Amino acid sequence: GQNIDQPTEMTATEGAIVQINCTYQTSGFNGLFWYQQHAGEAPTFLSYNVLDGLEEKGRFSSFLSRSKGYSYLLLKELQMKDSASYLCAARGDSGGYQKVTFGTGTKLQVIP
Amino acid sequence: DTAVSQTPKYLVTQMGNDKSIKCEQNLGHDTMYWYKQDSKKFLKIMFSYNNKELIINETVPNRFSPKSPDKAHLNLHINSLELGDSAVYFCASSPPYGRGGQETQYFGPGTRLLVL
Repeated sequence: GQNIDQPTEMTATEGAIVQINCTYQTSGFNGLFWYQQHAGEAPTFLSYNVLDGLEEKGRFSSFLSRSKGYSYLLLKELQMKDSASYLCAARGDSGGYQKVTFGTGTKLQVIP
Repeated sequence: DTAVSQTPKYLVTQMGNDKSIKCEQNLGHDTMYWYKQDSKKFLKIMFSYNNKELIINETVPNRFSPKSPDKAHLNLHINSLELGDSAVYFCASSPPYGRGGQETQYFGPGTRLLVL
């Protein structure tokens, strides 16, 4: 089965750092994705982790612990344009095929 | 330039009608998907095709029928539309798993369906 949990909403201040957590239970897990979705737009890819550890990409970093079924997305030097929903998604096995299951998303509001 | 395109962008229709949404990708990907995002923003997979073959078919009413005429196109036909079908429908594509890279999904702009 597939189950993804992440907080529904978060608020953070411009210039600050925010960490968005995600826990997953995924059969045949083989990859964790983070997507950003601005209101009224399509999700866009942010990061991918398949091995334990931290992947850094500019202001955004993503961490994975496979043994704990846990990931987080870290956003530094927050900007107003970072206000969006952040979707955690885990890829796993589904009937012999790979399937990506999305969490419900964390709506981040960046305030001045 | 558009990687994944969908038409129409907006669709307003009456209950009971039949409608189709079209999707095309020019990324050369083998795998395409249809997702439904409801009012609570939950993005749920409906179907996945790999090289024109249906590989994932989630618990979706059989009023929804996908069709892939070639690997660059995946259309979604909906019969007898119901109020609960109102949502945003996203098409996406990705390289098949195991071909290297992250097999990231690239999403189309979405089709906003409103059933009255």
